[in-house]
Amino acid sequence: DGGITQSPKYLFRKEGQNVTLSCEQNLNHDAMYWYRQDPGQGLRLIYYSQIVNDFQKGDIAEGYSVSREKKESFPLTVTSAQKNPTAFYLCASSRGTGPRELFFGEGSRLTVL
Amino acid sequence: QQQVKQSPQSLIVQKGGISIINCAYENTAFDYFPWYQQFPGKGPALLIAIRPDVSEKKEGRFTISFNKSAKQFSLHIMDSQPGDSATYFCAASRRAGGTSYGKLTFGQGTILTVHP
Repeated sequence: DGGITQSPKYLFRKEGQNVTLSCEQNLNHDAMYWYRQDPGQGLRLIYYSQIVNDFQKGDIAEGYSVSREKKESFPLTVTSAQKNPTAFYLCASSRGTGPRELFFGEGSRLTVL
Repeated sequence: QQQVKQSPQSLIVQKGGISIINCAYENTAFDYFPWYQQFPGKGPALLIAIRPDVSEKKEGRFTISFNKSAKQFSLHIMDSQPGDSATYFCAASRRAGGTSYGKLTFGQGTILTVHP
């Protein structure tokens, strides 16, 4: 079955440590996205990538980094510079750019102790 | 200008009732308005979407009403069921042009609880 796989589902880290969240898709989608979800704030875009080896900052990119070396993969690193990293992180993909349906993974919940 | 404001934050409805969630936007460049449904512990999934050339779109028990002049759109769930209990997000995306093309701006979310 095609879909988006995020791992790990739950992650605990100490303050000051970098953390990398994995996102893999087998939908052959060109575009991939990372969103952060906090209660009462909806989904906020962190980074997005429209093609391999290219990505753009979203609305809340500070303290995060990404790479897009393969079409299928779009990992997100939460760095120690992110002031409030505890959140639910969602990866998504779409067939192309433009207003199209986003397909989401099941999310990764990061808790920084 | 990029915000989408959603209300209410939470909603409790009895089984069989009508659930109504409202969204408002400022950016007149938005021209695609989807609603996403999210169950606990899962990612959101597209429920229904509308473009501004129509005032209403219906899919089963779910209807989007769109008021272009007021820059508002709403989701109506008829005959609400306990299985509809979820978080609902409205969103908006702008038409072609510029680096923000295709980016979805989401509302704050509404937690819907349907009591049996």
